[in-house]
Amino acid sequence: EIVMTQSPVTLSVSPGERATLSCRASQHIISNLAWYHQKPGQAPRLLIYSASTRATGIPARFSGSGSGTEFTLTISSLQSEDSGVYYCQQYNNWPPGYTFGQGTKLEIK
Amino acid sequence: DGLLLESGGDLIQPGGSLRLSCAASGFSFSTSAISWVRQAPGKGLEWVSAISGNGAGTYYADPVKGRFTISRDNSKGTVYLQMNSLRAEDTAVYYCAKERRYSPDPFDIWGQGTMVSVSS
Repeated sequence: EIVMTQSPVTLSVSPGERATLSCRASQHIISNLAWYHQKPGQAPRLLIYSASTRATGIPARFSGSGSGTEFTLTISSLQSEDSGVYYCQQYNNWPPGYTFGQGTKLEIK
Repeated sequence: DGLLLESGGDLIQPGGSLRLSCAASGFSFSTSAISWVRQAPGKGLEWVSAISGNGAGTYYADPVKGRFTISRDNSKGTVYLQMNSLRAEDTAVYYCAKERRYSPDPFDIWGQGTMVSVSS
């Protein structure tokens, strides 16, 4: 099973600043990586797929990069609604199944 | 855009059974692979099971293999998750989610979730 490790566990950033979240895969997954954002009490929302492609309706301040085993989600010019937990997910090792990172909690100061 | 709506969550005793449903609308259901993803209280996301658009392919995470069965009825636009021999560690919000395009692919539509609590 591919293990996804996210860092940091928590991140506190001021509005208008940039946030950088990392995700590492235990094996090469090419660019088969997605990022999700989850707010409390809500379902996750797809932000990025194929490591760097924004999903429909996602603002340009969200960008993804990386390939192989190291990936980054960058949120430029943070807004209050960007708070919540961000998860990465690999979909390269299929079957047997998809795996998610443990999440990064982003707090807006 | 598409919608998914889960139902069937409940409080159930250990060893019991429960069937979850996921009703879809607004997209081509019969060509879409659907997964169940769960989230234990205060924890992260865990993929549970998936089914291909025609139902011929079914896949399970190791913790639920042999206890859970995924199925679908394309005439009703619904996916099911039959959960048997439930354990306390199965307690979670269960989401159904649609793969974006062709498997394997990330999930672009999620339901609101249904809560399953396993406790005596």
